[in-house]
Amino acid sequence: NAGVTQTPKFRILKIGQSMTLQCTQDMNHNYMYWYRQDPGMGLKLIYYSVGAGITDKGEVPNGYNVSRSTTEDFPLRLELAAPSQTSVYFCASGRQGTGNTEAFFGQGTRLTVV
Amino acid sequence: DAKTTQPPSMDCAEGRAANLPCNHSTISGNEYVYWYRQIHSQGPQYIIHGLKNNETNEMASLIITEDRKSSTLILPHATLRDTAVYYCIVRVGDAGGTSYGKLTFGQGTILTVHP
Repeated sequence: NAGVTQTPKFRILKIGQSMTLQCTQDMNHNYMYWYRQDPGMGLKLIYYSVGAGITDKGEVPNGYNVSRSTTEDFPLRLELAAPSQTSVYFCASGRQGTGNTEAFFGQGTRLTVV
Repeated sequence: DAKTTQPPSMDCAEGRAANLPCNHSTISGNEYVYWYRQIHSQGPQYIIHGLKNNETNEMASLIITEDRKSSTLILPHATLRDTAVYYCIVRVGDAGGTSYGKLTFGQGTILTVHP
């Protein structure tokens, strides 16, 4: 199993550019998440999804969009990139089940907006 | 999800037990306590979770007070590789609640294990 795969690992964007961070999981998990982590800070939830076709906002959704057309994929779209979006982005997935919904994380995408 | 409070940092000697506390005084009856850790800049890693009873696995033990308002993660024999940020999270179980599936992190505790 590959687990949770994020691409790209690193990216430099210019202000105003757009990009899509890709996330795919091969564990047939219902739940998927996007987080951002600024230097020295904790993880902030951007968006999450409890199944294909269902998405919801987290703590810091502004400037981002998501879609969940399949169980496997949960791309994160940045429109009009800004320096404040310089961060490390983590995608995670977890299975639905009472209590034990352990989340598995990808290795992150390091994004710099200049 | 209920808020959690953790000390910002702790130290532990290698080979000794590391006891990481977490307060979650507003926890609801259907919320579980989860612990994750993040080593360096990697993605967080699940450690353990519990509802009411104490739990143990190959990585750690979780002690939850009877009133469920606080918990302690115990690493019985800390090693240098256990140096990480440890996050305590409470979240609803999947059986219900409008925020089911949601998983939010706080600031965590930076645990430093020294020789």
